[in-house]
Amino acid sequence: DAGITQSPRHKVTETGTPVTLRCHQTENHRYMYWYRQDPGHGLRLIHYSYGVKDTDKGEVSDGYSVSRSKTEDFLLTLESATSSQTSVYFCAISSDRNTEAFFGQGTRLTVV
Amino acid sequence: QQQVKQSPQSLIVQKGGIPIINCAYENTAFDYFPWYQQFPGKGPALLIAIRPDVSEKKEGRFTISFNKSAKQFSLHIMDSQPGDSATYFCAASSRGGADGLTFGKGTHLIIQP
Repeated sequence: DAGITQSPRHKVTETGTPVTLRCHQTENHRYMYWYRQDPGHGLRLIHYSYGVKDTDKGEVSDGYSVSRSKTEDFLLTLESATSSQTSVYFCAISSDRNTEAFFGQGTRLTVV
Repeated sequence: QQQVKQSPQSLIVQKGGIPIINCAYENTAFDYFPWYQQFPGKGPALLIAIRPDVSEKKEGRFTISFNKSAKQFSLHIMDSQPGDSATYFCAASSRGGADGLTFGKGTHLIIQP
């Protein structure tokens, strides 16, 4: 899995609570991404980072924030979880833009 | 607006057959086209990728065919095996555009013994 660890792997949380998902890489790759996967939608980009403290929005960024204080860690935060954020979240890394991207095992988040 | 359209949604092929999955894109700035394979409960795994300077690329039993003028690319799996049963995603990205991959919606492939 290209040295990518996502935690937690599963989480159930209540509507309105904050949730933070963590992605940790050991490959020293510059780029890190958060995607969500939903039936019928494929994978959609939430946010990405192109360096420490350098982040930008993706296609479905509303309701999410990210932080990257170290090269190896990329955090995804749901400030106030909603049922529409029930999904499987994948972290990905790449050494450069527009090149091979490698995915983690995913975090299954259920908001009840 | 869906920028990468993938078909079919699902596909059943007999062992040894050649499943073909097609993708069409709209953004002419796309210049990197990977295919991912995903098994249940796992993350997508990079299978093979192509850039527009070639029309075909083979890696083992997997082949990508690319038609730049038609803005289409496809995945062929030769001598398919039951172990190839998975969901396949095509994707695209551009060096000059926003970062990250734009994915198709996926094809659920079943190879029957």
